[in-house]
Amino acid sequence: DTGVSQNPRHKITKRGQNVTFRCDPISEHNRLYWYRQTLGQGPEFLTYFQNEAQLEKSRLLSDRFSAERPKGSFSTLEIQRTEQGDSAMYLCASSLVPGGTNYGYTFGSGTRLTVV
Amino acid sequence: AQTVTQSQPEMSVQEAETVTLSCTYDTSESDYYLFWYKQPPSRQMILVIRQEAYKQQNATENRFSVNFQKAAKSFSLKISDSQLGDAAMYFCAYLGNFNKFYFGSGTKLNVKP
Repeated sequence: DTGVSQNPRHKITKRGQNVTFRCDPISEHNRLYWYRQTLGQGPEFLTYFQNEAQLEKSRLLSDRFSAERPKGSFSTLEIQRTEQGDSAMYLCASSLVPGGTNYGYTFGSGTRLTVV
Repeated sequence: AQTVTQSQPEMSVQEAETVTLSCTYDTSESDYYLFWYKQPPSRQMILVIRQEAYKQQNATENRFSVNFQKAAKSFSLKISDSQLGDAAMYFCAYLGNFNKFYFGSGTKLNVKP
């Protein structure tokens, strides 16, 4: 397993367009997380899945954002009607949580979104 | 709510010297984990070291060690024998019962040859 994979690495889009990012977690990991990192800041939690169920969404995740994890495998994060404030790096992470114990995350390299 | 504070936006160290990065946090939880992550320009978040709050012994990983002061809610990272490859952004992070990370704003470490 090569770790957590995110595609694309970079995305430049015009304001108002829709974009979709993909994350492929480590295959045996049951949890998948999305974070957003703006320039000069640490990552901030957006949402997470346990298998295919989306268990928590941050208030940062406006109604223009939607995330899915069909069949508990890869995940997609879609942003509709992008705004310049959406420009950031979007990080995906996965972890294995058997019996409620989190053994720690593995992060992907992120997708850097630039909205022009 | 949990918060993590890194008060040093940038630090510099001479190659082969020792540097300490500071981190404080706030929480009402009793069980949690603390981490230091390194983020080089390649953007990959790389785990440097991890500390379980219930353990009194400070974690060490080769040249990296922490000073965990639970009562003071302090979690500093010491890098010994600094190497050029240590240059990166370093993030302190808290992982509690809700299984999501709270990160500090980061410290940029420069290593001078």
